Amino acid sequence: AQSVSQHNHHVILSEAASLELGCNYSYGGTVNLFWYVQYPGQHLQLLLKYFSGDPLVKGIKGFEAEFIKSKFSFNLRKPSVQWSDTAEYFCAVKEGGTGRRALTFGSGTRLQVQP
Amino acid sequence: KAGVTQTPRYLIKTRGQQVTLSCSPISGHRSVSWYQQTPGQGLQFLFEYFSETQRNKGNFPGRFSGRQFSNSRSEMNVSTLELGDSALYLCASSLPIKPGQRSSSSYNEQFFGPGTRLTVL
Repeated sequence: AQSVSQHNHHVILSEAASLELGCNYSYGGTVNLFWYVQYPGQHLQLLLKYFSGDPLVKGIKGFEAEFIKSKFSFNLRKPSVQWSDTAEYFCAVKEGGTGRRALTFGSGTRLQVQP
Repeated sequence: KAGVTQTPRYLIKTRGQQVTLSCSPISGHRSVSWYQQTPGQGLQFLFEYFSETQRNKGNFPGRFSGRQFSNSRSEMNVSTLELGDSALYLCASSLPIKPGQRSSSSYNEQFFGPGTRLTVL
């Protein structure tokens, strides 16, 4: 069975600081990888996704993530965070190349950006 | 295009009761998945429906069930509610996957609704 680990449960940063959130998964086959964000009081939104090709993917709001297959990792990065990035971030994995859509989520990382 | 809608948004029930939650997918989306979100267990997959058929099921007891209608709307039902069923229940919809498109990102992206907050007292 797949599992997803997010190492940081709660991260506090000042505005303009750089962000990196770790995500590791365990699954030996082809995977599709996602980062979702949940702003306070809002629903889950897709930040970015990796299916194939360039392992460095860019998403919305200046976020990017790098897929490192040898490390089973898909870390999320942003060079300079803003107060509006305060939210909970979830890494998710799906079996690739199948019709199944079930996502396995990490436990989430709560990001707090201080002005 | 309207997003995924879920009703009701908030619900309070007592132990032993049963509850039905509803999800209307984005127009044109025929696949609907359900997830449970709790502080302790995080986001967990419940089940997935496509063309009125359950295609995949997570590791939940039989008290959790669902169905999908011909218009792609979906309902999930929880019978004999327990305190631990208190959670945010999320519905997600996606486009139907056609043969040869299983790895296409467009057909694998899921769009989430706002959720139904269920409190069991």
